[in-house]
Amino acid sequence: DAMVIQNPRYQVTQFGKPVTLSCSQTLNHNVMYWYQQKSSQAPKLLFHYYDKDFNNEADTPDNFQSRRPNTSFCFLDIRSPGLGDAAMYLCATSPDRGGTDTQYFGPGTRLTVL
Amino acid sequence: GQNIDQPTEMTATEGAIVQINCTYQTSGFNGLFWYQQHAGEAPTFLSYNVLDGLEEKGRFSSFLSRSKGYSYLLLKELQMKDSASYLCAPRGATNKLIFGTGTLLAVQP
Repeated sequence: DAMVIQNPRYQVTQFGKPVTLSCSQTLNHNVMYWYQQKSSQAPKLLFHYYDKDFNNEADTPDNFQSRRPNTSFCFLDIRSPGLGDAAMYLCATSPDRGGTDTQYFGPGTRLTVL
Repeated sequence: GQNIDQPTEMTATEGAIVQINCTYQTSGFNGLFWYQQHAGEAPTFLSYNVLDGLEEKGRFSSFLSRSKGYSYLLLKELQMKDSASYLCAPRGATNKLIFGTGTLLAVQP
């Protein structure tokens, strides 16, 4: 089945230790998104790739970076995780950015920072 | 500014009908999505409205009034598995989804 896959599902890191979360998709979608969702809060868009074009949200901290080496994969790098970065990180894809294009979400990676 | 307003929590009985309301203010408008999110899981797509009126999909229907900045999600024949958060997400002029904090629905026997 075509899908959005995130690894790992659960990630534990130490304060200040870099961590990378990965997302892959078999949907061949142009757009890939990274969201941060804290408990009982709305998903917050961090950035998205439209093909190879990177689009950062104005309020995304510099601590968060992303890479998209090819259509299928996208990575979220947190350079120096703080306690406030503990959250669920959601990857989503969509065929394009407008029209009726729906965003399809992966299962998420829950990040714990010790 | 941009603002999404949904009730924080709702409770309903198995087999009943529940309506979850959403009011929104966005810079531009390019449709409105409803997602279901079970605890600890990713949001899953339920419905999309871009024109005024009702869209029906099985037990779920969604309504939109663009002039009023208002939408609702109607769930019929409630089942225990419908206990989840329901996220209203209009898409603004930049084509990005703007998520509300969601409505936590508890379905009781």
